[in-house]
Formats: sequence, structure tokens, C-alpha cells
Amino acid sequence: SAVISQKPSRDICQRGTSLTIQCQVDSQVTMMFWYRQQPGQSLTLIATANQGSEATYESGFVIDKFPISRPNLTFSTLTVSNMSPEDSSIYLCSVVGRGNTGELFFGEGSRLTVL
Amino acid sequence: AQSVSQHNHHVILSEAASLELGCNYSYGGTVNLFWYVQYPGQHLQLLLKYFSGDPLVKGIKGFEAEFIKSKFSFNLRKPSVQWSDTAEYFCAVNANSGYALNFGKGTSLLVTP
Repeated sequence: SAVISQKPSRDICQRGTSLTIQCQVDSQVTMMFWYRQQPGQSLTLIATANQGSEATYESGFVIDKFPISRPNLTFSTLTVSNMSPEDSSIYLCSVVGRGNTGELFFGEGSRLTVL
Repeated sequence: AQSVSQHNHHVILSEAASLELGCNYSYGGTVNLFWYVQYPGQHLQLLLKYFSGDPLVKGIKGFEAEFIKSKFSFNLRKPSVQWSDTAEYFCAVNANSGYALNFGKGTSLLVTP
């Protein structure tokens, strides 16, 4: 298994500001992903965080809005830029467990509310 | 388009009732299938998964799921639910395009005493 810590766990932000979410894993992992869970919705994949290179974004998500860093195999950040109320969501970091079993492990999420 | 559909958005059951939550997917080719659970205030946890072999898979806490390839389905079942099963349940699919999962919209289960 993998233990994932996210910071902040929740925040209230003003429109137009940016917030960076941190994800720390207790072991080195190859695959790391960022998901968004909007109120009452399912999880939507934002991007794959690639170590040492640019993240791979899913359709509908762009680097300017959601810049991602992955400086090493245990840490990543997701920034939500120029926030609007539509960005109010839970943002989740997830990793593939050791042995690449296909199972994803999730952090507890960062709940952002944009006013 | 590839998608995962969960038919029941909200389910209310009495304790000891049987549970079946539907999940259908629209991917071609080989798929890996998962059910995740999110208890109130907790993070997502894996209930069970199917990669290959016996299409009836057993997971934690008495849950099981059956993969029916011809129906593109992976329904979750439990013979007798408990109050502690109250949670959000998500079906997810990995269609061999990496390890990222595509999730259904989730089913909120409330078990009443």
C-alpha cells in the first residue's frame, strides 16, 4: 500500500487567486495522478504527473490553469490558478501501488471552496 | 466515447437486506475493473478488483462482484448489508491506456438500522 498526505486538507479562497496543493507519498512511486471531484460528481482525471518532465493533461484541462510539478518520485504539487467558483472541488492525488498492481491509492483530498 | 455508468445514484436499504449495485462500461478490448468505497470523512479505498480469471471476485467486508463480459457489466453485491456499509461506492475501469482509472458517478448507499 501507499500512504499519501495532502496539504491543505481544505481551504477557502478568493476568486482570482491561485492555490498550490501538495502531495507527499511515503514511498517512491512511478505513476502519480491528480483527480478532481466536483460536488455531487464522480472523479475526473486532470493529469498524470510525470517525474522530471511536463505533466500529461486530459482533455479539458490545460497547464496554464493547472500547473503540476513532480520534482521526485515521492512528491508532487498541483496549482489551481486564477480560481473561480467553478473550481470549488475536492482535488485528489493518487498513486499506483508498489509492484504496479493496477490499484490506485488515494489521498484524503483537498477541499477547495472559491468565493 | 468510453464511459462507466452506475445505474443507481442513491440507494436506501435496511440492515440485513441484500445489495446489488450496477456498473456498465463502454470500452472495447481488455479491461481491468474496480470497485472503490468512500466512507464518510474518509479517503477512497479499494473494495475489489478484476483483472482476469474467475469472473466472480471477492473483496473485503463480504463484498463480491461479477464480471459479465457479454453485458459489459461488473455489478457489486453483498448478501446482507450492515449499517457500517453506509458509504459512496464507485465503479472504475482501466482500459490498458495506462494506470489511470475512469470512474462512474458513484452510488450513495444509506443503510438504516
